[in-house]
Amino acid sequence: AQSVTQLGSHVSVSEGALVLLRCNYSSSVPPYLFWYVQYPNQGLQLLLKYTSAATLVKGINGFEAEFKKSETSFHLTKPSAHMSDAAEYFCAVLVNTGNQFYFGTGTSLTVIP
Amino acid sequence: GAGVSQSPRYKVAKRGQDVALRCDPISGHVSLFWYQQALGQGPEFLTYFQNEAQLDKSGLPSDRFFAERPEGSVSTLKIQRTQQEDSAVYLCASSLRGEGLAKNIQYFGAGTRLSVL
Repeated sequence: AQSVTQLGSHVSVSEGALVLLRCNYSSSVPPYLFWYVQYPNQGLQLLLKYTSAATLVKGINGFEAEFKKSETSFHLTKPSAHMSDAAEYFCAVLVNTGNQFYFGTGTSLTVIP
Repeated sequence: GAGVSQSPRYKVAKRGQDVALRCDPISGHVSLFWYQQALGQGPEFLTYFQNEAQLDKSGLPSDRFFAERPEGSVSTLKIQRTQQEDSAVYLCASSLRGEGLAKNIQYFGAGTRLSVL
């Protein structure tokens, strides 16, 4: 069975500081992993995805994530936070069927000026 | 259209009422998905269509929930005899092709927020 766990429902960082949002997965087979961002009153937007190619995945808006099989992790990072990064972030794993996601419970990122 | 459109954006229903939520996917998108997002939670899969065929409805929580996509474009999620636990944001997403989402990006609508009183 596949699932994801996001540690920390709320994360606050200062503008310009490193952003680190944690995601650990559980999967019986090599997973496909995704990060989505949700701004208030908007739909989810794909940030990046891991589909068994390069373990370091670069996404939009300067975000990247590294797939670490030994740690069953797919943490999201950004070197320097911007005020516009304040949003809800969701990690997701794709179920074997190929058309069903399991989402984590989300991490709300606050950026302090 | 330019994106996935959902209507209404907000819906208030009295317990026991039936509701219908509409999704207009991006034009030409083959696949359509419905998700339920409870407050403080991540979206949970409800059902999936490929064109007009409902290929997976394993996430529908009860037989009060029904979805259709009769012409392979617009979809409607219907909830009969609404209960308070149905209160959530209902998200619709579409993707261009019918193959799996590993190679196929989902585009999400802004959702319909349903409040059952």
